[in-house]
Amino acid sequence: DTAVSQTPKYLVTQMGNDKSIKCEQNLGHDTMYWYKQDSKKFLKIMFSYNNKELIINETVPNRFSPKSPDKAHLNLHINSLELGDSAVYFCASSQVGDTQYFGPGTRLTVL
Amino acid sequence: GQQLNQSPQSMFIQEGEDVSMNCTSSSIFNTWLWYKQDPGEGPVLLIALYKAGELTSNGRLTAQFGITRKDSFLNISASIPSDVGIYFCAGQLRGSQGNLIFGKGTKLSVKP
Repeated sequence: DTAVSQTPKYLVTQMGNDKSIKCEQNLGHDTMYWYKQDSKKFLKIMFSYNNKELIINETVPNRFSPKSPDKAHLNLHINSLELGDSAVYFCASSQVGDTQYFGPGTRLTVL
Repeated sequence: GQQLNQSPQSMFIQEGEDVSMNCTSSSIFNTWLWYKQDPGEGPVLLIALYKAGELTSNGRLTAQFGITRKDSFLNISASIPSDVGIYFCAGQLRGSQGNLIFGKGTKLSVKP
């Protein structure tokens, strides 16, 4: 009964490929987020969705596109992967303005 | 962009010792949060602070929301080996819609 889950846990792919990471939350939260954690462990927000509406987009390249089929899911699609995209990507969820709960992360390695 | 200055960057302590870490900013925050991240896992919420001056405990952990709303500290008393990990402060700016800004983390190592 994991609260926030992500798949896959690990993703290894070649430069130029397109890939997706999935996130699901069963907490009934109305807002979901994607964060990127770099090799120095710095966490930075990429996107958030509230009721299917994008409310934050922090200067992320447009190769990254969040897709939310419903309130419980926020998937991250990445086109034309680059070496610099290698990182750990975390999904999180919350009620608007409330505490955020994080998923276990997806470690993306671009070769 | 907004920044949180978290210190120290790393700590190496003996089991049983007390630990203190803090975060400061030039901006005013509505909420301060402290998370812990274990290797290969996502950040887990330890303590949430919502009012200036608030002092909150969670077991051996104590955190305070600074009076100026620009800082917070986390103390861990009588450290144990399982306290090892990276501790992050995070702040939510006044007027933001849930946007969290994270500190760069404090890596804690505990020697048995």
